[in-house]
Amino acid sequence: DAKTTQPPSMDCAEGRAANLPCNHSTISGNEYVYWYRQIHSQGPQYIIHGLKNNETNEMASLIITEDRKSSTLILPHATLRDTAVYYCIVRVSRNTGTASKLTFGTGTRLQVTL
Amino acid sequence: DTGVSQDPRHKITKRGQNVTFRCDPISEHNRLYWYRQTLGQGPEFLTYFQNEAQLEKSRLLSDRFSAERPKGSFSTLEIQRTEQGDSAMYLCASIQDSYNEQFFGPGTRLTVL
Repeated sequence: DAKTTQPPSMDCAEGRAANLPCNHSTISGNEYVYWYRQIHSQGPQYIIHGLKNNETNEMASLIITEDRKSSTLILPHATLRDTAVYYCIVRVSRNTGTASKLTFGTGTRLQVTL
Repeated sequence: DTGVSQDPRHKITKRGQNVTFRCDPISEHNRLYWYRQTLGQGPEFLTYFQNEAQLEKSRLLSDRFSAERPKGSFSTLEIQRTEQGDSAMYLCASIQDSYNEQFFGPGTRLTVL
């Protein structure tokens, strides 16, 4: 699985958009970009994933650059409850054997403030 | 609540004691994963079950660790002769084939004194 690089921490004012970057310059053509987050004292929670097209769901939007070497997770209107560590993970998206295990880095600690 | 439960949520033990953790995955999920997370780090993969078969074990899983998933339902993770370095959060996750999202439990926080 390709390695990812994320800033260790970011701040965001409540109600503003939070834009969390991720670099994955060694990503392969069959690897997807996944985002999970972990709120303090809880297990990680899936947010969104994508291959090359931008994706949006009820939680967030995922913007992947055309060369696929970086991506940005966007929380459009951050709230205090979005304070968490956000993990960007790159892996092949197939549920066969160990390809489905997740390799976490250290993530970005997002602090949403009033 | 993701539907994955873990028990206990917290465990404090003395060095050298044995501990056992339990994970109850979402009932229709056939794959189950164990991860370990130390302070300030992301979760690290330990082992994985497809139904009742344990298909992979990480190098992190020393011979003091053993995991089971009898009948492909709940899973247990046992640590024998605990060491202070075993202190961590132990996370369980489950997933159904054809899905992309792993559902994580709340974790068991182990403290070895």
